Amino acid sequence: DVKVTQSSRYLVKRTGEKVFLECVQDMDHENMFWYRQDPGLGLRLIYFSYDVKMKEKGDIPEGYSVSREKKERFSLILESASTNQTSMYLCASSLGGPSYNEQFFGPGTRLTVL
Amino acid sequence: AQSVTQPDIHITVSEGASLELRCNYSYGATPYLFWYVQSPGQGLQLLLKYFSGDTLVQGIKGFEAEFKRSQSSFNLRKPSVHWSDAAEYFCAVTSSYQKVTFGTGTKLQVIP
Repeated sequence: DVKVTQSSRYLVKRTGEKVFLECVQDMDHENMFWYRQDPGLGLRLIYFSYDVKMKEKGDIPEGYSVSREKKERFSLILESASTNQTSMYLCASSLGGPSYNEQFFGPGTRLTVL
Repeated sequence: AQSVTQPDIHITVSEGASLELRCNYSYGATPYLFWYVQSPGQGLQLLLKYFSGDTLVQGIKGFEAEFKRSQSSFNLRKPSVHWSDAAEYFCAVTSSYQKVTFGTGTKLQVIP
């Protein structure tokens, strides 16, 4: 059974803290993605990676960075958390190649920044 | 730029009734289209996708969708809704080697 896991389901942090969100997939997928989900806005792509140590900016990369040191792991980093980064964060993975490949999603991390 | 519109934010149907969720896309070339479902507290799961061939696509859980190029639509249908179908549904579009663009979602409520 394919699986994408995220390190936390719920996270509460304070403004200015450095925050790490971890995502691990066990499907040997080349592509990994970080999305942000907000009511009325759907899913917005923050960053994606198509290979180890490779990354591409998505639609809303400001205030975020990512790291992919191993194929199965993709980390999202909030260098200095702010209240407007309170949101649901979804990680996904897919096979490499054409973008019509199915994305497999983790359960999400609900981050609250106080 | 590609875009997806889901005009209905919230839909309520009675259990056993038919369902149609609307999706309109904007893209110049041939699109690849998806419907994903998100049950409460979970990530998204693919229901079905279209990228070529028959314009009527069958998916999991009894769902189907029809690609209509002339109307730029990819509406999701189910003939008889079950209480377990209550969830949020997302339409998405992409083309080869482009990022996937998701719609804003439609929340489905099912009443007994």
